[in-house]
Amino acid sequence: SYVLTQPPSVSVAPGETARITCGGDNIGRKSVHWYQQKPGQAPVLVVYGDSDRPSGIPERFSGSKSGSTATLTISRVAAGDEADYYCQVWDNGSDHYVFGSGTKVTVL
Amino acid sequence: DVQLVESGGGLVQPGGSLRLSCAVSGFTFRNYALTWVRQAPGKGLEWVSAISASGGITYYTDSVKGRFTISRDNSKNTLFLQMNSLRAEDTAVYYCARKVGASTSAFDYWGQGTLVTVSS
Repeated sequence: SYVLTQPPSVSVAPGETARITCGGDNIGRKSVHWYQQKPGQAPVLVVYGDSDRPSGIPERFSGSKSGSTATLTISRVAAGDEADYYCQVWDNGSDHYVFGSGTKVTVL
Repeated sequence: DVQLVESGGGLVQPGGSLRLSCAVSGFTFRNYALTWVRQAPGKGLEWVSAISASGGITYYTDSVKGRFTISRDNSKNTLFLQMNSLRAEDTAVYYCARKVGASTSAFDYWGQGTLVTVSS
């Protein structure tokens, strides 16, 4: 089955930039989406289609992809950005949606 | 406003059954594919099942295939998940979510979830 690999945690100081990676075989051929989930809340889509932002999502959230890794970048990190972040793709080889294992972002 | 509201969760014994519902409002239900995603306590998101806009195509993660059935009633704007032969490892918060559109595999609106606990 298709696997997306994320680092368990990322720590960043306020005002700095957080980068969360998501690796997977042939991820370059897949459309990657990113979700933010705060404790006790439902996930929120923050980036879709590798780099597009839904309406209402700040420009500080951006997505990119290079080689076998997709990256969610959060610029000018604030305390309110502390959350779990998940990447997600559709694997047409298995007809399954796949989520990454999640990355906990801690604002120092 | 778009709203997805799950219901039907609760405590059930191993081997039992439960039917989850997801009532939708704020968009044209029949035009969108939908999905169920679950989250075990303290764990990450796990995709469970998905259904096309018409209901004619369904997908399941391997661990629930043959036990869970996804369906939808486009006349009542409601999504369902029939869960049979429940196991302890099915314990989770179950979310329903809307797929953005035909051209993308992202989910843009989510419900608040309903908790399913499988325990004796």
